[in-house]
Amino acid sequence: GDSVTQMEGPVTLSEEAFLTINCTYTATGYPSLFWYVQYPGEGLQLLLKATKADDKGSNKGFEATYRKETTSFHLEKGSVQVSDSAVYFCALRGVGIGSSYKLIFGSGTRLLVRP
Amino acid sequence: DGGITQSPKYLFRKEGQNVTLSCEQNLNHDAMYWYRQDPGQGLRLIYYSQIVNDFQKGDIAEGYSVSREKKESFPLTVTSAQKNPTAFYLCASSPTQGFTDTQYFGPGTRLTVL
Repeated sequence: GDSVTQMEGPVTLSEEAFLTINCTYTATGYPSLFWYVQYPGEGLQLLLKATKADDKGSNKGFEATYRKETTSFHLEKGSVQVSDSAVYFCALRGVGIGSSYKLIFGSGTRLLVRP
Repeated sequence: DGGITQSPKYLFRKEGQNVTLSCEQNLNHDAMYWYRQDPGQGLRLIYYSQIVNDFQKGDIAEGYSVSREKKESFPLTVTSAQKNPTAFYLCASSPTQGFTDTQYFGPGTRLTVL
């Protein structure tokens, strides 16, 4: 079945450092891909998404490119801030009849940014 | 402001009790969902509903029940049959019945069984 694999955390960076959080997926066809962010004690917020191969999603300085050839959707940011500290979830929505109704989530990657 | 509200934020339950978690949305979305989050894990789907008076089991429906009597409301009941109910519960909604839209999440309810 469909699945998402994320790099394990925590990822600890200093402010203004470059961020990469790896995400790879297994799915048939061309799923839609998402990054969600969860701040402590809160629900998930959509960060960005991409719905077809080579699409680049971007928001608040974060970017991710849908790479069909490597089945990846890595999250990047050029210069992180302390306020970016949160848990980041990669997710996909499949295209089949039995998989398009739900999101499949990775286990999440905690990011800690030090001043 | 449009959005999804969940109440209560924290809920404590004694073993053997049923509890109901509230989820309300004023986004005029057709589809609604309930997910469960355990520490260090991703979210898993409990139930979903495409339209009023219709709902379907997700991957981990055992020990849970739902209703969808109104478009804006999708309450989740955690019954005493749920063996390990302590978790963070998230409600979500999306605009159309076809599930092709982005899902938007509420702030969550943390349930603790004492």
